[in-house]
Amino acid sequence: QSVLTQPPSVSAAPGQKVTISCSGSSSSIGNDYVSWYQQLPGTAPKLLIYENNKRPSGIPDRFSGSKSGTSATLGITGLQTGDEADYYCGTWDSSLGAGVFGGGTKLTVL
Amino acid sequence: QVQLQESGPGLVKPSETLSLTCTVSGVSISSYYWSWIRQPPGKGLEWIGYMFYSGSTNYNPSLKSRVTISVDTSKNQFSLKLRSVTAADTAVYYCARSYGSGSYPFDYWGQGTLVTVSS
Repeated sequence: QSVLTQPPSVSAAPGQKVTISCSGSSSSIGNDYVSWYQQLPGTAPKLLIYENNKRPSGIPDRFSGSKSGTSATLGITGLQTGDEADYYCGTWDSSLGAGVFGGGTKLTVL
Repeated sequence: QVQLQESGPGLVKPSETLSLTCTVSGVSISSYYWSWIRQPPGKGLEWIGYMFYSGSTNYNPSLKSRVTISVDTSKNQFSLKLRSVTAADTAVYYCARSYGSGSYPFDYWGQGTLVTVSS
């Protein structure tokens, strides 16, 4: 059981837009920045979004992040087959005193 | 170019100690925070703990009694020891870098190494 809650899966057609939600609590998302990671099959996670809505160098602006209260959202526009991956949200939980992740969301581009 | 590489045994017997090393290249380990994160087969990510080069550490409370993370600055490496392992510790283990403690993001990751706990 993950501290942060994500939908197990989402799907959309190529070229469309998809959003992935991440729900936490006042001691986790409500209290700190959220990051998002993309994990392509058989590879290590890759940082997509940090500090809720910032993109590292090299990450296209098709990827966006937002946060409101105790929830965060990852948005992906102009979906490509290469975007098929597992996506994880992460933050710090001050109550637990630990880094925490969501359970991951599998994106399928139909 | 920052690179991280995990190394260590791929098979550990139950009740024994899992030992892994992360070799860092392209940047001095005497900066940043260095973490271990694991992922059981087919499951999500779990943060194990982090350390700063000075030796300060912070561990996941769920693993704290069994974990030690240490650094060897002369070799630009840091290590993980997980004691009294069980089958539930079978996972891909990643080392990763962050700029700070807390919610600072993990911006560089190793490729991961699968450790299986089995007799």
